[in-house]
Amino acid sequence: GDSVTQMEGPVTLSEEAFLTINCTYTATGYPSLFWYVQYPGEGLQLLLKATKADDKGSNKGFEATYRKETTSFHLEKGSVQVSDSAVYFCALSFPNAGGTSYGKLTFGQGTILTVHP
Amino acid sequence: NAGVTQTPKFQVLKTGQSMTLQCAQDMNHNSMYWYRQDPGMGLRLIYYSASEGTTDKGEVPNGYNVSRLNKREFSLRLESAAPSQTSVYFCASSAQVLYGYTFGSGTRLTVV
Repeated sequence: GDSVTQMEGPVTLSEEAFLTINCTYTATGYPSLFWYVQYPGEGLQLLLKATKADDKGSNKGFEATYRKETTSFHLEKGSVQVSDSAVYFCALSFPNAGGTSYGKLTFGQGTILTVHP
Repeated sequence: NAGVTQTPKFQVLKTGQSMTLQCAQDMNHNSMYWYRQDPGMGLRLIYYSASEGTTDKGEVPNGYNVSRLNKREFSLRLESAAPSQTSVYFCASSAQVLYGYTFGSGTRLTVV
């Protein structure tokens, strides 16, 4: 079945450091890829997405590029802030599976990021 | 604020007790989902409802039942709670997955 694997956490960085969180997937076909973020005590929020190979999703200074050849969707940010401390989830979906658009999301295990001042 | 509302936020059950987790959304979304979140395992889909009147099993449906009461409401029932069902439960809804899911704030359930 489809699956998503994220780098082991937790990740601890100093403010203004460069962030990379690795994500690879296994799927039959070409899914759409997503990054979700969960702040303490809250539900998940969509951070960014990419729907086809070589697409780059970006939001709030975060970026990720859909690499079909390596089946990867690594999350990057050039300079992290304390407010970026959260849990980050990589996910995939086939939006048009079965002729519908509801598309179930399959999540990775999540990576805890802590940023210190 | 509009969104997905889950109740209760916290619950402690004894083994064998039953309970229903409630979820309601006010965004007119067709699809709704129930996930559980466990440390190191991410979110796993329990049940989903692609549209009003339909429900389907997800990855981990055993021990749970659901009801899509109307377009707004999607409840999750534990008939006989077990310690393995200790988890944080999230309800979500979407118009279309590419637009993103909207998640509730979760229910932290402990079964003792």
